[in-house]
Amino acid sequence: DTGVSQNPRHKITKRGQNVTFRCDPISEHNRLYWYRQTLGQGPEFLTYFQNEAQLEKSRLLSDRFSAERPKGSFSTLEIQRTEQGDSAMYLCASSLIGSTNEKLFFGSGTQLSVL
Amino acid sequence: GENVEQHPSTLSVQEGDSAVIKCTYSDSASNYFPWYKQELGKRPQLIIDIRSNVGEKKDQRIAVTLNKTAKHFSLHITETQPEDSAVYFCAARYSGGGADGLTFGKGTHLIIQP
Repeated sequence: DTGVSQNPRHKITKRGQNVTFRCDPISEHNRLYWYRQTLGQGPEFLTYFQNEAQLEKSRLLSDRFSAERPKGSFSTLEIQRTEQGDSAMYLCASSLIGSTNEKLFFGSGTQLSVL
Repeated sequence: GENVEQHPSTLSVQEGDSAVIKCTYSDSASNYFPWYKQELGKRPQLIIDIRSNVGEKKDQRIAVTLNKTAKHFSLHITETQPEDSAVYFCAARYSGGGADGLTFGKGTHLIIQP
């Protein structure tokens, strides 16, 4: 499968715990995005990387959230001291900047439930 | 930043009829407008997109129109089929101020009645 891969698919955690999600983008894509989606809403932009550089963070990304893409390939999103309001689907997407069509391709997401 | 409004939130049409979903955006600098289809429990999938230098684009039963002056764009699905039932999201790419992610609408739940 050459699509965007995310792990785990589901994560249940207790409030206050830390969680980490992983995203493997399409191999030749140089941009990687993180979005959050809650029920009945569209995806909300959190942050994105071009290669290993994190170029933009949304105001939605509180200090408890951190994302990395150390080698410009896979990325991790960590949430510290989780809160019930963090419960959502976390979507990763990738694209190839510089191509004529900068289409975003999404992964299947990680569904986080904070109890 | 960019703001995208989408309507209706729910659309029910008879199989074989056409469906139209409309979106407006706020930032005149936006230049890329994709549409995504999301089935229950699955990833959003790109179905069609349009750039600001084009007014209309078609792909079989799906078409998108863009009115830059009015800052709105629409998705048209003709001859709807049961497999078209899903949530559809429009989005706009905000090109100014350094932010480069897509801003999505809240989605339209399209129901195809047999």
